[in-house]
This record gives sequence, C-alpha cells and structure tokens, in this order.
Amino acid sequence: NAGVTQTPKFRILKIGQSMTLQCTQDMNHNYMYWYRQDPGMGLKLIYYSVGAGITDKGEVPNGYNVSRSTTEDFPLRLELAAPSQTSVYFCASSYSEGLGNTIYFGEGSWLTVV
Amino acid sequence: GQQLNQSPQSMFIQEGEDVSMNCTSSSIFNTWLWYKQEPGEGPVLLIALYKAGELTSNGRLTAQFGITRKDSFLNISASIPSDVGIYFCVLRRFRDDKIIFGKGTRLHILP
Repeated sequence: NAGVTQTPKFRILKIGQSMTLQCTQDMNHNYMYWYRQDPGMGLKLIYYSVGAGITDKGEVPNGYNVSRSTTEDFPLRLELAAPSQTSVYFCASSYSEGLGNTIYFGEGSWLTVV
Repeated sequence: GQQLNQSPQSMFIQEGEDVSMNCTSSSIFNTWLWYKQEPGEGPVLLIALYKAGELTSNGRLTAQFGITRKDSFLNISASIPSDVGIYFCVLRRFRDDKIIFGKGTRLHILP
C-alpha cells in the first residue's frame, strides 16, 4: 500500500514555463487536495476534489489548474510559472466523512521558479 | 471568517521536558487532527479526535478534544531529539468537510 504518491520530488522552473505535478493514491479515497506550504508557514489549500469529475477552488487557486478524471489521480498544473509559486506542494487524500476521515499526505514536491 | 489559533508558535525546550501546545477555534468542528511535519517531509498524522471530551494517547503523546468542541491540546512527555518538527492542528467540519490548518508550533529541543 503506497498511500499518496506525488512526483516530482524536486523541480526548478524558469518563469513562464509550465509543468504538472502528479498525484496518485491507492486507498480509494474520494477526496483529494493540493496544498502549498511557504517557508515558515502552514499549509494553504489550492484546489480540492470530492470525487472523479468534480473539482473546486481552495484558498489560493490563482495560477493553477487541476483535473480529476479518475479516483486515483489528481494532477496539479502550473501554466505560466511565476516566482511567487516557489513553494513546497503537498497532495493529500481522505474519505469524505464519518469516523476515520483522516487526511493522508504525500511527501511533498519542492518547486523553485527562477 | 473562521479563526483557528495555534500556540505557541515556537518552543525551545530541554531534552526530557514535557511539552504542551493548543489550538482554539472560533466555531465548532467535528474532528480535530494533530499532525507532525519533519524537515523535508509531508505532515504525518499523530492523533485524531472525534468526540468532545475525548482524550487519546499515542505513546508519549496525549491529546484532548475540548468539551466545548472549540479547542484541543497536545502534550508530549519526556521530549527526545526526534520530537523536533512542526506540529499542526487541523480541523475538519463534518457538515461541509471544510478543513483548516493551524499555523503550526515549531518545536526545538536543546541538548
């Protein structure tokens, strides 16, 4: 059981470039999330999804796009990378409700935009 | 809007000391989660609390869900060097699954 897997672990982008952060989970969770964590700060929600085909904006969605074509995968796309998007990105997943609705995190993706 | 306050922001303690940190919210939540994040890693769940008044232990860690459903504390007894990291409280509201992160408590342990 791999849990939540995200790739790449590290990436350096030039301003204006595009890239996709991949996230997959093998726990059959219906909820998936993308967070960013800036140095010395807590996590801020970028986008989330309550199930395949459904996505919603979080607290800081500007500059990002997501899709959820399957239950397992929730990729995060940066279209025109900006220095302000330098951050650590965490993908997470959970069941929707009820007991045991804890959130499981991936190991993080360190992104630097120069 | 929803307010979640986690304190203290950072702690510097001697190895072997006990640690206490807490979170308070401005409204009621159904689930309190405590996570630890070590440098270069993602947050890892420590303790989950689902009922008001619930007191749960996980080794040297103890956490309680306040009776008012608006607060929680996490205690670490007899701290050791591997306890270093950032501890986050996370709230989850049952009604709409809204999730809020505290800003974290950074624990530093002095030799």
